[in-house]
Amino acid sequence: GNSVTQMEGPVTLSEEAFLTINCTYTATGYPSLFWYVQYPGEGLQLLLKATKADDKGSNKGFEATYRKETTSFHLEKGSVQVSDSAVYFCALSDYSGGGADGLTFGKGTHLIIQP
Amino acid sequence: DVKVTQSSRYLVKRTGEKVFLECVQDMDHENMFWYRQDPGLGLRLIYFSYDVKMKEKGDIPEGYSVSREKKERFSLILESASTNQTSMYLCASSLTLDTWAEAFFGQGTRLTVV
Repeated sequence: GNSVTQMEGPVTLSEEAFLTINCTYTATGYPSLFWYVQYPGEGLQLLLKATKADDKGSNKGFEATYRKETTSFHLEKGSVQVSDSAVYFCALSDYSGGGADGLTFGKGTHLIIQP
Repeated sequence: DVKVTQSSRYLVKRTGEKVFLECVQDMDHENMFWYRQDPGLGLRLIYFSYDVKMKEKGDIPEGYSVSREKKERFSLILESASTNQTSMYLCASSLTLDTWAEAFFGQGTRLTVV
């Protein structure tokens, strides 16, 4: 079946530090990969996505590259801000094995940015 | 913009009550999902629906049922609420079963069962 593994944290960084959140996956088909962000008390919202190997998704200074050879989709940002404090979820979609298993999330990484 | 709206942000119910959580999406999406989110456990899928009146069980369907009578509305039902169902509930929708179609989430319902 499909699965997503990511570091759970919390990850605590100082403002302007470089951020990497690791994400690796297993999938039976050819998935699309996503990063979602959840701010306190809110639902999840899409941060970026990549639909095929070597694609790079980017948004709000965040980037992630779909690496099929290492089955990874690591999230990076060059200089984090206090407002980036949130929970980040790596996810894949692959409906080749059925609908209920088609959207798979990691457990989330809690990011805390200190001023 | 796609909007997924959950009927309540916060809900407090008594043990044994029948509880309805409602979710409406406004973009004609085929797929709708119900998740619960608990600390350390991430998002766990309760039920998935890919069309009106069609549903599939997710990872933790026990104690829950769902209803999708209209395409835009997906209801989660707790038949007899118990304290271990205290959680954050998230509804989501996606356009199709194509892998590129991302999910859109509601704001969540924090349910407390006392």
